[in-house]
Formats: sequence, C-alpha cells, structure tokens
Amino acid sequence: DAGVIQSPRHEVTEMGQEVTLRCKPISGHNSLFWYRQTMMRGLELLIYFNNNVPIDDSGMPEDRFSAKMPNASFSTLKIQPSEPRDSAVYFCASSLELQGGYGYTFGSGTRLTVV
Amino acid sequence: QKEVEQDPGPLSVPEGAIVSLNCTYSNSAFQYFMWYRQYSRKGPELLMYTYSSGNKEDGRFTAQVDKSSKYISLFIRDSQPSDSATYLCAMRDSWGKLQFGAGTQVVVTP
Repeated sequence: DAGVIQSPRHEVTEMGQEVTLRCKPISGHNSLFWYRQTMMRGLELLIYFNNNVPIDDSGMPEDRFSAKMPNASFSTLKIQPSEPRDSAVYFCASSLELQGGYGYTFGSGTRLTVV
Repeated sequence: QKEVEQDPGPLSVPEGAIVSLNCTYSNSAFQYFMWYRQYSRKGPELLMYTYSSGNKEDGRFTAQVDKSSKYISLFIRDSQPSDSATYLCAMRDSWGKLQFGAGTQVVVTP
C-alpha cells in the first residue's frame, strides 16, 4: 500500500486566495482525520470523518475552513479566503476503525504558506 | 489544563545513552496509549502501541504505562543519531479521537 497520499506537498499562496488540500487515505480505512501542526500549537485536530460522514468539526477554526469526503478514497480541505495565520503544515491521517486501539497513519503533509 | 502533558524539550543525549521520555494525562478513560516518531518535514509514524498497564518491548524501544499514576514512558536504549526526531505520545478512550502530547524533540549527538 502506498500509505496516505497528500497533495500538494508545498503550497504558497497570496492572502485572500482559495486553497484546496487533497488526501487519499489507505484503502480499507474507514476513518479520516485532518490535522494542522504549528510550532506554537502542536498538532491540532480540525475535523474527522467516519465512513465518509463528518463526525466532529469542532476543531475547524472558522467558517473559512471546510472539508469534504465525497467517497472513501478522497477528501479535501479548503480554505477560502486564506490568511497568513493559516500558514502551517496540514496532515491527513486515516485509521482502520474510529473506536478501539487503532493508531493513525499519517500522510507526509502539505506545507502551506500564505503571504 | 491539557488532557495530555508532554515536555517539549529539546532533550540532548550522547550516542549510546538511554533516552527517557514521558507523558502525563488527566483523563482516566484513556485505554490506548501510543508513541509516534516524527522526523523533520515528515508526518508522524506509529512507533509503539500499548493497551494495558505494564511494559512492552520492541527492539531498542520499551513503552511503559502506569494507569494508576496516569503516566506513560518511552525508553530508547543504545540511542543512535538516527533516533533524533520529535516523539509524540498519544492516547484515546474506546470511543474518542486520539489526543496528542506536544511532542519532545530528541537530539542524539555522535
């Protein structure tokens, strides 16, 4: 298996522009998570899905952020409009099950810079 | 107060020394305990997973869980420069999402 695949690896955009991050989870995993990592705040859970349904989006910072999972093999995280404080590394992770002791497999992340 | 507390370090040790990392937690419902390793500019990768109190060994790595004290540890024996990374503890109850610690940066010097 190729693992969790994220694209793009790096994104530099101007303030006010729309940014779309993409994620392909591991085949057979039914839970998907979007995290944001910064030096100041560490890993923050933004939203997670179970069987393609959003379960908890309480970590989404504001309405500028939205996430979708149209099918079991694809998810997007969109920021519109983007702001400099959104600069961070965004990770997608997937898990075999939401409950129980299953760990998460992380992608390599998307490094977002908003100038 | 955060549910999971972890000293961010950095922790610098000479090659061959034992690295000792730990986390404390406040939620007694946590049942599953994990350690992730994150190299610079990479995603976290699962290193160790434990369910109950006690020790678990995997090569040079030993994970310990003390539920009565709400304290977990990771030991790395015979540390190598390639062990230089950030180590994150993570834990969850039977229903909830993983809660991560802040991560401890470890530097193993040759």
